[in-house]
Amino acid sequence: DAKTTQPPSMDCAEGRAANLPCNHSTISGNEYVYWYRQIHSQGPQYIIHGLKNNETNEMASLIITEDRKSSTLILPHATLRDTAVYYCIVTYRGSTLGRLYFGRGTQLTVWP
Amino acid sequence: NAGVTQTPKFRVLKTGQSMTLLCAQDMNHEYMYWYRQDPGMGLRLIHYSVGEGTTAKGEVPDGYNVSRLKKQNFLLGLESAAPSQTSVYFCASTLVRGAEAFFGQGTRLTVV
Repeated sequence: DAKTTQPPSMDCAEGRAANLPCNHSTISGNEYVYWYRQIHSQGPQYIIHGLKNNETNEMASLIITEDRKSSTLILPHATLRDTAVYYCIVTYRGSTLGRLYFGRGTQLTVWP
Repeated sequence: NAGVTQTPKFRVLKTGQSMTLLCAQDMNHEYMYWYRQDPGMGLRLIHYSVGEGTTAKGEVPDGYNVSRLKKQNFLLGLESAAPSQTSVYFCASTLVRGAEAFFGQGTRLTVV
């Protein structure tokens, strides 16, 4: 599985867009990019995933660069409840290998 | 539909004692994972299972054993607890590898 690099911390004003970057320069052609978040000490929560096209759901948007070496998670209108640690993961889908590795993530703090 | 349930939620052990953490999922997922989370360390994979009757080592398997006798249950055992195993333990499951992961709410274990 490709490794990812994320900034340890970021902050954002409430109501503004939060843009969280992730570098995955060693990603393979059929590895997906996943984002999860962990609010305080709860279990992590799935946000979104993508392969090469940009994706959007009710929680966030995922922008993947054309060379797929980096991506950005966008929370369009951050709220205080979005304060959490955000994890970027790259992994295969449907492979027989079972590992799913999380790193240290980015601590996003949304301030009023 | 409860998702992923971990038992117990809190536990205090004395050094050398043994215990078993139970993870149960009702989504018919094939893959199950055990992680530990320590302050500032993100999530680290202990063991995982790609199906009933199978287990494999993750990043930090030493001092732990696991079993997957039934598809819906994944047990994590500590044979002789050590203070270094004080941590928050999370269980997760996925339908297949690379699919959206569902996490339990965690077990906070303290070894004194």
